[in-house]
Amino acid sequence: TQLLEQSPQFLSIQEGENLTVYCNSSSVFSSLQWYRQEPGEGPVLLVTVVTGGEVKKLKRLTFQFGDARKDSSLHITAAQTGDTGLYLCAGVRTPSGGYQKVTFGTGTKLQVIP
Amino acid sequence: GAVVSQHPSWVICKSGTSVKIECRSLDFQATTMFWYRQFPKQSLMLMATSNEGSKATYEQGVEKDKFLINHASLTLSTLTVTSAHPEDSSFYICSANRVGRETQYFGPGTRLLVL
Repeated sequence: TQLLEQSPQFLSIQEGENLTVYCNSSSVFSSLQWYRQEPGEGPVLLVTVVTGGEVKKLKRLTFQFGDARKDSSLHITAAQTGDTGLYLCAGVRTPSGGYQKVTFGTGTKLQVIP
Repeated sequence: GAVVSQHPSWVICKSGTSVKIECRSLDFQATTMFWYRQFPKQSLMLMATSNEGSKATYEQGVEKDKFLINHASLTLSTLTVTSAHPEDSSFYICSANRVGRETQYFGPGTRLLVL
């Protein structure tokens, strides 16, 4: 069962445009992560948001964690061709045992056209 | 940084054969490793959690006799796809938790094609 729904599933935009990707769940997570994955490679962690309402910025990327810690958004300003990739949100829980259990979202494939 | 490697990076095999994929933490010890499977144009799905020195915990719907996991040391976990069939063709990705830390570090993945 996929607990995290991302929208849109696919996005094709012109270079320089802005975009927002949403990640929604009915479950509460201790934190939420965003990854970017290139074809044929493993996902690379972009950011972790922990506190409800938290906003983090990474250059042109802005990440927000919902107040209830059930949803998140990723906003990219002035997209560049290098932003092309699969963006995955991931909800994190920490069961007893001390390790994270990560549940990935459905993914958003972004294509930035020059 | 923490580096996780996988070997092989890609493998092609005949239907009915078994394939072993290794996941190594190169510069840290990992008490827990995770195995994911990703089909084309889809997200990562957790298959199992591998704990050093104990049996792996499999997610619902994942056959433990089909996907054998061994976590023999703090730096190595292996996933063996037994009697592979074309429907097992996928991208398999592992991740590892550093001892005492919560962050997962992902490997580069192994692409399996079963003919």
